[in-house]
Amino acid sequence: GENVEQHPSTLSVQEGDSAVIKCTYSDSASNYFPWYKQELGKRPQLIIDIRSNVGEKKDQRIAVTLNKTAKHFSLHITETQPEDSAVYFCAASRRNRDDKIIFGKGTRLHILP
Amino acid sequence: DVKVTQSSRYLVKRTGEKVFLECVQDMDHENMFWYRQDPGLGLRLIYFSYDVKMKEKGDIPEGYSVSREKKERFSLILESASTNQTSMYLCASSFGTGRTGELFFGEGSRLTVL
Repeated sequence: GENVEQHPSTLSVQEGDSAVIKCTYSDSASNYFPWYKQELGKRPQLIIDIRSNVGEKKDQRIAVTLNKTAKHFSLHITETQPEDSAVYFCAASRRNRDDKIIFGKGTRLHILP
Repeated sequence: DVKVTQSSRYLVKRTGEKVFLECVQDMDHENMFWYRQDPGLGLRLIYFSYDVKMKEKGDIPEGYSVSREKKERFSLILESASTNQTSMYLCASSFGTGRTGELFFGEGSRLTVL
């Protein structure tokens, strides 16, 4: 089955700097890669996703890149702000009817003032 | 606005008790999921369902069962609770294949087993 590895487990960056979180997956048939953000005490929420027919996707200050050959994908946050402090989870799925969505272990991002 | 509602935010049970965690979604989603969230271990999939009366094991199904008698409701059952099942349980739902794969999560049920 699918296995998703996520690094680092904790990341501290100065406000205004960029943050990068990396994930690798094992199942070459996976074709959908979402990222979720979970603020303290709240439920995870989707912030961006990418499908395997696309190499990069941007939405304002966040971007995701995908390298299918190497089976890894990354989340990039530029110009970080205090509200970016949260736990971020990557995930992978085949997007078939009966396929599961497997998450990485999460990265706790701290934005330092 | 999608709403996924979990019946209990906090539960305290004793070892050996039977525990029911209920989840209801109001968006006519085909897929429903139960995850367990523990510090340092992320979100681990227990069971999921892509249709009424259908269920599939996730990565950690041992000690759990599920029921999906109606499309909008997905229940997680702990037949005999144990202390290592103390955790935060998150229910989620999504549309089926061909549409957005976004998961909508409930607020979670924090279970403590004494």
